Amino acid sequence: ETGVTQSPTHLIKTRGQQVTLRCSSQSGHNTVSWYQQALGQGPQFIFQYYREEENGRGNFPPRFSGLQFPNYSSELNVNALELDDSALYLCASSIDTRAGTEAFFGQGTRLTVV
Amino acid sequence: GQQLNQSPQSMFIQEGEDVSMNCTSSSIFNTWLWYKQDPGEGPVLLIALYKAGELTSNGRLTAQFGITRKDSFLNISASIPSDVGIYFCAGLDNAGKSTFGDGTTLTVKP
Repeated sequence: ETGVTQSPTHLIKTRGQQVTLRCSSQSGHNTVSWYQQALGQGPQFIFQYYREEENGRGNFPPRFSGLQFPNYSSELNVNALELDDSALYLCASSIDTRAGTEAFFGQGTRLTVV
Repeated sequence: GQQLNQSPQSMFIQEGEDVSMNCTSSSIFNTWLWYKQDPGEGPVLLIALYKAGELTSNGRLTAQFGITRKDSFLNISASIPSDVGIYFCAGLDNAGKSTFGDGTTLTVKP
């Protein structure tokens, strides 16, 4: 177990709704990255937060947004849900932003959009 | 955008056999990472490679960072049933942004 916890574990939403996913980072880690993993594919980088600021973003539209709190936990918000947003959403925490710093993944939130 | 081609897509091997999988990219990466993902879990880091040409081992696992910085391979020797899972390569660029391959699914027959 990595110490990174995500909630909820499973979620079903209707197209057009909004969703908030939560991640508690491992103790001592100030960097959180979010990924979307579609079935049969590798994780796709959404964005990274470092000390409450966005620190890099992948090719995702603005309706994907995030927050990081003073305790370094994080939220991923997705507005106007589309069917293609159905995926496993993973967060990973690391001790800092340096490339190659080991990131520890949570178990993910399985989002189904119907 | 950056893409990683990971192969093979799946492998079915006998327990005790050696396994080799690789990733290639059209882009240069500064760091290569290899992860294993079990069903219902997040990926777990196996090996990290930081320099072109670097060869690193972790138990029965060996990985290399290609000289061109555009490829990497992972070998597993003497496979055992618990090696079953999906193996992902990931490259990190200058900005620390990670790009993952689509995985190699390994099945080990006892």
